[in-house]
Amino acid sequence: DGGITQSPKYLFRKEGQNVTLSCEQNLNHDAMYWYRQDPGQGLRLIYYSQIVNDFQKGDIAEGYSVSREKKESFPLTVTSAQKNPTAFYLCASSVIRLTGELFFGEGSRLTVL
Amino acid sequence: KNEVEQSPQNLTAQEGEFITINCSYSVGISALHWLQQHPGGGIVSLFMLSSGKKKHGRLIATINIQEKHSSLHITASHPRDSAVYICAAGKDGGSQGNLIFGKGTKLSVKP
Repeated sequence: DGGITQSPKYLFRKEGQNVTLSCEQNLNHDAMYWYRQDPGQGLRLIYYSQIVNDFQKGDIAEGYSVSREKKESFPLTVTSAQKNPTAFYLCASSVIRLTGELFFGEGSRLTVL
Repeated sequence: KNEVEQSPQNLTAQEGEFITINCSYSVGISALHWLQQHPGGGIVSLFMLSSGKKKHGRLIATINIQEKHSSLHITASHPRDSAVYICAAGKDGGSQGNLIFGKGTKLSVKP
């Protein structure tokens, strides 16, 4: 079945360690996105990519990095520079057209101890 | 003031009731999204609309561009409709995923 797979679902890390969250899609979508969700707040865009080997910063890119070496993969690295990394992270993808809806993964919950 | 405001924040209903969730936005938009977030955290896109009204099963979404307001209606609500419903505005001229999200409305439908 087509969809978006995020892994791991739960991740615990010590402060100061870099962490990479995986996002893979088999929907043949050109665009992929990473969002962060904190309790009581709306989702916020971290990074997005509309084509392989190209990506743009969203509203809260500081302390994060991404790569887009393959169309189907858009991993997110939470670096030690991210001041408050504990959050729920969601990946999404879409076709690039005005009516293209977003498809979301199940999310990854990162807890930094 | 947030650019996308939802009301109510929390909503409890009895099975079978008609439910309305409201969304107001203050920016120019290309599209308005309604999303459903399940207790496990996964999100499903319900509607994407830029004008008028859309219907899918028991769900209806409407938008009034002049008033910058959208509503999500659920007819004959059921306990399986219990979830967080999120409104998100696609910024005019922005990329599809560059959305401003509301904080969500937590709906609980009791049997």
